[in-house]
Amino acid sequence: GAVVSQHPSWVICKSGTSVKIECRSLDFQATTMFWYRQFPKQSLMLMATSNEGSKATYEQGVEKDKFLINHASLTLSTLTVTSAHPEDSSFYICSATGGRELYEQYFGPGTRLTVT
Amino acid sequence: GQNIDQPTEMTATEGAIVQINCTYQTSGFNGLFWYQQHAGEAPTFLSYNVLDGLEEKGRFSSFLSRSKGYSYLLLKELQMKDSASYLCAVMDSNYQLIWGAGTKLIIKP
Repeated sequence: GAVVSQHPSWVICKSGTSVKIECRSLDFQATTMFWYRQFPKQSLMLMATSNEGSKATYEQGVEKDKFLINHASLTLSTLTVTSAHPEDSSFYICSATGGRELYEQYFGPGTRLTVT
Repeated sequence: GQNIDQPTEMTATEGAIVQINCTYQTSGFNGLFWYQQHAGEAPTFLSYNVLDGLEEKGRFSSFLSRSKGYSYLLLKELQMKDSASYLCAVMDSNYQLIWGAGTKLIIKP
């Protein structure tokens, strides 16, 4: 139990376009979802925390107008990278809490974004 | 500020034992997590410690000393598939995870 999926698993887009990444909790209701970014050989960097039905809380330095997060239901959160630039190329990972273990974060498989 | 320290890289031999240390300074403490992350993949949960002492789970064990702000992950009978990064993370008083930079473990035959 406590499975989180992400779609797509990888995406290539051109500069200036927008990309939407979906994060779903498949067998539990996610009270909170987290979006992380990870550059090569670096640790996870929390971008934002979102609760269903409310606005996401962004970490310092993360542009909320560029990284749009929507947590419309207890099983789905989306991250839209708007006007993507090559420096946005990264590994984006979502996680969710609300599974069997109250505070454990269950991670999705990640989405590799490459902006050309 | 909040800080998690762990070694950048460690090397060990197949079949041996390795201990990965983690020290932390955080605003509040609601538990310490260890995650394993293979290259190009998302982290997977290994262990959770909130009380002092040793938690054993198969070949992996995790230890916590809250008074010392210290934890270690012990891996026994190392296998080649254990080559990965090991991430230490502490849940602070706001129930947010503070992540260490990860320890890359290289297993040699």
